[in-house]
Amino acid sequence: EADIYQTPRYLVIGTGKKITLECSQTMGHDKMYWYQQDPGMELHLIHYSYGVNSTEKGDLSSESTVSRIRTEHFPLTLESARPSHTSQYLCASSELATNNEQFFGPGTRLTVL
Amino acid sequence: AQKITQTQPGMFVQEKEAVTLDCTYDTSDQSYGLFWYKQPSSGEMIFLIYQGSYDEQNATEGRYSLNFQKARKSANLVISASQLGDSAMYFCAMREFAGAGSYQLTFGKGTKLSVIP
Repeated sequence: EADIYQTPRYLVIGTGKKITLECSQTMGHDKMYWYQQDPGMELHLIHYSYGVNSTEKGDLSSESTVSRIRTEHFPLTLESARPSHTSQYLCASSELATNNEQFFGPGTRLTVL
Repeated sequence: AQKITQTQPGMFVQEKEAVTLDCTYDTSDQSYGLFWYKQPSSGEMIFLIYQGSYDEQNATEGRYSLNFQKARKSANLVISASQLGDSAMYFCAMREFAGAGSYQLTFGKGTKLSVIP
């Protein structure tokens, strides 16, 4: 059973608000990821991190930002939410070894009105 | 260019029957990995099975097996003895080298499997 947590699970918020999506894992994994997934569509990588103080942008351009101050914590922030940000956001983590699978959190379904 | 192609947007299977979900991939790397994930309606992604590009044997995990045909660049998922709880979206993904010591997963668009009682 994967120990990776995301809060909130569901969030409905108005345009212009600042939001932070939380992601924590207790497996000691160095690598962490954020994916964005529209309903019924594939996952797109928006951010990843190799470890503390490491953050990289993924394939899909995103207005969100991330930080990695602690190994277990990888929050994602939107400074000013817009309706186009409505989506599901999935956090994942993995060990550094190349053939290890990514463990996913339950996701946050974000709706921006 | 699409790196992972899943040509079946939706599939139906009778309970207790076997079903094959197709996945083809495109890469010029010699070393890569292929994954299948299951995503129920609740939204979480559940790892099912992994196949490394150098693995000679097809991967198996319980009722899941991966039909790996390297020359054809296909990595189909076979689910035997389907159960109602298998109804979900299934995503094929490829891990490949992304430069500077990093590896990334690229996902296909998914196949929605519905198991009929």
